[in-house]
Amino acid sequence: EAGVVQSPRYKIIEKKQPVAFWCNPISGHNTLYWYRQNLGQGPELLIRYENEEAVDDSQLPKDRFSAERLKGVDSTLKIQPAELGDSAVYLCASSPSRDRMFYEQYFGPGTRLTVT
Amino acid sequence: AQTVTQSQPEMSVQEAETVTLSCTYDTSESDYYLFWYKQPPSRQMILVIRQEAYKQQNATENRFSVNFQKAAKSFSLKISDSQLGDAAMYFCAYRSALNDNQGGKLIFGQGTELSVKP
Repeated sequence: EAGVVQSPRYKIIEKKQPVAFWCNPISGHNTLYWYRQNLGQGPELLIRYENEEAVDDSQLPKDRFSAERLKGVDSTLKIQPAELGDSAVYLCASSPSRDRMFYEQYFGPGTRLTVT
Repeated sequence: AQTVTQSQPEMSVQEAETVTLSCTYDTSESDYYLFWYKQPPSRQMILVIRQEAYKQQNATENRFSVNFQKAAKSFSLKISDSQLGDAAMYFCAYRSALNDNQGGKLIFGQGTELSVKP
């Protein structure tokens, strides 16, 4: 079974430039998460999708961040414009339907973003 | 709001020895899940072990076991017979059992960097 796929693995951009990250979850997983992990810290949730619906985006900085999951499968996270403080690792995770009593989150390898 | 605290930024253990990583959390909920994740330099988060708060019995997975103290809100990870491949960043995480819009979100601690000496 293929795991969560993310691309690119690394991205270096100048501040004020746009950037996008892509995530393909494990097949059949309805729930998709985007986390941001600052250096030396644990990940923090940015947004969670149930199929196409964003059910928790309370931590997403909506002035510059946007996300979509149009067909309920893969997802894109965008930053426009990027700021120096956006330098971090962006992790995508997926899990089976929330109808299950317990659902483990499976993580991708992440995208390391460096804003110069 | 729930919080997770790992007070040991770094730990070191000799190969084949035992090490315990500490984690405390704060919550007003009675039903929740606790996890330990391992993050090697490749950055891929790997689930090591989980504990359901309603279970009194401590979870065990091969060389990994936890000491879950619900009243003290403590959740430590014990690694027995440490191996070189255990070297990584370890994160403690909390997840509410509530099935609402906040459910499913993992709340992570700051992490503990574990090194294993040969």
